[in-house]
Amino acid sequence: DTAVSQTPKYLVTQMGNDKSIKCEQNLGHDTMYWYKQDSKKFLKIMFSYNNKELIINETVPNRFSPKSPDKAHLNLHINSLELGDSAVYFCASSRRGVEKETQYFGPGTRLLVL
Amino acid sequence: KQEVTQIPAALSVPEGENLVLNCSFTDSAIYNLQWFRQDPGKGLTSLLLIQSSQREQTSGRLNASLDKSSGRSTLYIAASQPGDSATYLCAVRPESNTGKLIFGQGTTLQVKP
Repeated sequence: DTAVSQTPKYLVTQMGNDKSIKCEQNLGHDTMYWYKQDSKKFLKIMFSYNNKELIINETVPNRFSPKSPDKAHLNLHINSLELGDSAVYFCASSRRGVEKETQYFGPGTRLLVL
Repeated sequence: KQEVTQIPAALSVPEGENLVLNCSFTDSAIYNLQWFRQDPGKGLTSLLLIQSSQREQTSGRLNASLDKSSGRSTLYIAASQPGDSATYLCAVRPESNTGKLIFGQGTTLQVKP
């Protein structure tokens, strides 16, 4: 029944490792997003995909690479993890072009880089 | 560049009080403004969405207003309850076709029994 799901919920890893976070939505939406929430709780857009096509890339380092195998999935792969990557990463989805609809957010993935 | 600011950053009130959370934004070219609630360790839940042509939206004890020309929105919570304790986030959707939201830094509310 979960609308937007993310795995894993928690991720603790060492600096320099490569890790992936997965996101799936069962709402039939065509647009998916990744947001990063830093230690000060500030949420900022990272990427957006519409029908598997990248439409937003907000000056995120090349170490971050989103992949959308289909409309219902948007995964985030991070290479060479750094201490500053520690944050909560939220996936969201919506229907593009429907301004009166909100975005639906996943529960977040808490990443801690040691 | 659109910037969203929320005041105050934190608020503590006794149960039963009415309260107002403030949000301001620098660019009035928006499709809509939304208020979200975030509980500790959880995701975001949409509370109210106000389209750019609207002035306010109501849901139960919550009322959100929008003054687009002045770049301001308020979230009014009536008869606050301990269960209202959470972080409240304001977000605007700029007039572009990307759908992205730009968030304020939130107001953390504590309602004391």
